[in-house]
Amino acid sequence: DVKVTQSSRYLVKRTGEKVFLECVQDMDHENMFWYRQDPGLGLRLIYFSYDVKMKEKGDIPEGYSVSREKKERFSLILESASTNQTSMYLCASSSPGQGYSPLHFGNGTRLTVT
Amino acid sequence: DQQVKQNSPSLSVQEGRISILNCDYTNSMFDYFLWYKKYPAEGPTFLISISSIKDKNEDGRFTVFLNKSAKHLSLHIVPSQPGDSAVYFCAASNDYKLSFGAGTTVTVRA
Repeated sequence: DVKVTQSSRYLVKRTGEKVFLECVQDMDHENMFWYRQDPGLGLRLIYFSYDVKMKEKGDIPEGYSVSREKKERFSLILESASTNQTSMYLCASSSPGQGYSPLHFGNGTRLTVT
Repeated sequence: DQQVKQNSPSLSVQEGRISILNCDYTNSMFDYFLWYKKYPAEGPTFLISISSIKDKNEDGRFTVFLNKSAKHLSLHIVPSQPGDSAVYFCAASNDYKLSFGAGTTVTVRA
């Protein structure tokens, strides 16, 4: 069974801090994603990566960056946290192949920026 | 601008009855559609999917219908059970990225 692990369930940070959200998957998946979930807006794609050291912007990349140095690990970085980045952050992975491969999600990190 | 819309934020249904969740999309390039289920404090889990070459896909109590001309899909849950109480997200893709709707919270009443 695919396991996607996010290092923190809850985080509280101050405005202006640099924040790292870590995600590890154990199924050798090529694709990894970061989404944020907000009420009334659903899940919105921040960044994704289809290979080590490769990254592409999603729909809302402003204020975020990512790092993928190893295949199993995908980090989301908030360079200078702001209160509008308070949200639930969800990491996901998938494997390209024939047809469409559904995303497998972690349990999320609820980030509060004060 | 959201390309996938779930216009009903909530749905309440009695146990044993049918739950019908609706989803509309605007991008005619979408060719794969999925439904995810999410419990509180957990990540979304994949429920059922349908390719654009089909108009129906069934898996146990769950059936997804796709109407391409109307850019509309729906999820039917029959019969509804208390464990089905969750948030359901509709999603669509034309590559390996997914666009999600805002979600519908389903409450199954005993």
